Amino acid sequence: DAGITQSPRHKVTETGTPVTLRCHQTENHRYMYWYRQDPGHGLRLIHYSYGVKDTDKGEVSDGYSVSRSKTEDFLLTLESATSSQTSVYFCAISVQGRGGYTFGSGTRLTVV
Amino acid sequence: QQQVKQSPQSLIVQKGGISIINCAYENTAFDYFPWYQQFPGKGPALLIAIRPDVSEKKEGRFTISFNKSAKQFSLHIMDSQPGDSATYFCAATLIGTPLVFGKGTRLSVIA
Repeated sequence: DAGITQSPRHKVTETGTPVTLRCHQTENHRYMYWYRQDPGHGLRLIHYSYGVKDTDKGEVSDGYSVSRSKTEDFLLTLESATSSQTSVYFCAISVQGRGGYTFGSGTRLTVV
Repeated sequence: QQQVKQSPQSLIVQKGGISIINCAYENTAFDYFPWYQQFPGKGPALLIAIRPDVSEKKEGRFTISFNKSAKQFSLHIMDSQPGDSATYFCAATLIGTPLVFGKGTRLSVIA
């Protein structure tokens, strides 16, 4: 997706290991979000950011932390991965914190 | 607490037919209601959106109908095509808060 990239696209990791997912934008948007997508649950908000070093928790934040030291990068860290964190993770950006979000292509994470 | 309830979970429609997906919300302060379309392996993409001061918005074959008193809104896809086969999400928000999504509807349009 133009202006927003997620890395890695796929990752397999072992239970108990830390994992960091990266979201990079070239749009200079103030707002960035991390969602997870699971069958039967739709998209659930993990954390979001409304500026550099300004972050807040979402609906399913337990076991996750985030950091935003630059406008363009928003990192999601699974402190100690568990099998319940196997999911597809999407990053999104927004100009005004409402309205149309632009989503990345997602990271498929498998915790074994 | 599920703030946006979406139905049905899955939908099969004949080519040329009308696809209808419904959503209900609880928070009367919500003031922006978008629909997103997602193809396999891709991120969701904004399809169409509506604000509660209008009852209907149409863009091509896609129409949102909004019923403020019933706290419901729906997506209608006219003349459904196989290329419309995707997962559709409704969402809602109020200023200063992130989008809350429904659980999604998987639409299959068959020839």
